[in-house]
Order: sequence, then structure tokens, then C-alpha cells
Amino acid sequence: GNSVTQMEGPVTLSEEAFLTINCTYTATGYPSLFWYVQYPGEGLQLLLKATKADDKGSNKGFEATYRKETTSFHLEKGSVQVSDSAVYFCALSVDSWGKLQFGAGTQVVVTP
Amino acid sequence: EAQVTQNPRYLITVTGKKLTVTCSQNMNHEYMSWYRQDPGLGLRQIYYSMNVEVTDKGDVPEGYKVSRKEKRNFPLILESPSPNQTSLYFCASSLKGLRQGGYEQYFGPGTRLTVT
Repeated sequence: GNSVTQMEGPVTLSEEAFLTINCTYTATGYPSLFWYVQYPGEGLQLLLKATKADDKGSNKGFEATYRKETTSFHLEKGSVQVSDSAVYFCALSVDSWGKLQFGAGTQVVVTP
Repeated sequence: EAQVTQNPRYLITVTGKKLTVTCSQNMNHEYMSWYRQDPGLGLRQIYYSMNVEVTDKGDVPEGYKVSRKEKRNFPLILESPSPNQTSLYFCASSLKGLRQGGYEQYFGPGTRLTVT
């Protein structure tokens, strides 16, 4: 079946540090890949996505590249802020309706 | 403002007492779904609906019911809640469409349910 594996958290960083959250997947067919972010007390928001191999999704300084050869979609940001403290979910979809298969989530804590 | 609303946001109940969590969206979306979020497991889909009167099971449907009588509403019903249904629940909606990866899903703020 389809599955998503994320690095466990929490990840604690100082402001302006470099952030990487690893995400790998197993899927039949050609999935679309997503990163969702959940700020404290809120629902999930789409952060970025990529729909085919070698695509790079980017938003708010975050980037992730769809790597088919390593079945990965790692999230990166060059300089984090306290406001980036949240839980980040990697997800995939293999159907055209967009049903999402989520990873377990990674909590990121950025300290001043 | 485009949004998905859920009520209640917090609910504490006892085993066996029927409850309903409401979900409503104002974006005219065809596709709606319910997820539960549990530590270490991420979000798992409970039920989904592709349009009015069209619903189907997701990955963890046991103990839940849904209905879709109107396009904007998609209530989640727990007829006889049990402690293992203690969780954080999210409703989501998106446009209908045959597109690679589907369309962006919009999530509600969540309902934290505790069953004692």
C-alpha cells in the first residue's frame, strides 16, 4: 500500500537556523506530493506541492523537490523564524480526487 | 471569507452517548472528507463524499457514520462513542476534479473529542 515516512520530532532550532525535514514515500503509480503545516490550535494548510518527478514546490521560503529515484520529498528552509513553529505533515495522493495519505507529522520548535 | 467550520471545537462525552460533529463549507466544494489525527499516526481518513448523497468509507470508518444531504454540510456521527475514538477530528473540502493529485484541500479548525 501507499505510505509516507517522516523524521520524528520534535525538531528544536534557533532562529535563523537551517531546517530540513526528511520525507520518504512508498506508492503505486505516480503520486503527487504535499507538505501541509499545522499551526497551534489550527487546521492544516497546504504549504507546497509537486505533482511530478523533479518538480520543486516552494512557498514562504520553504522548498521541496520531488525525487523519484530516492522516493523522497524533503522540506527545507534556509533561515527559520519563531513563527515557523508548527507541525509539518508530508502527504501523498495517487488519485485524481486528491485523497491524502499523511505521514505522522514532525513538530518544529524555533526558539529566539 | 472562504472557510470550513466545525462545531463543536471541544467535546467531552461519555461512552455510548450519541453525538454529531458538524462540518460546513462555503466554497461550493463537491468533495468533503473527515480525518482523525492521532499522535504518531498523522491524519487518517474516516469517510469521504464526492457529492450530495454520495459517500464512501475511508481508511478507518468503523464506529462512524456520515451523511451528505446538502452540498455545504457533512456531519460526522458517532452513534455509540467509545474511548478509542478520543481524537482530534478534521473536516476538509475541495473542488471536484480529475486532476493529478486533485485540488487543494481546505481544512477546518478541528474538533477535539474526549470519550470517557
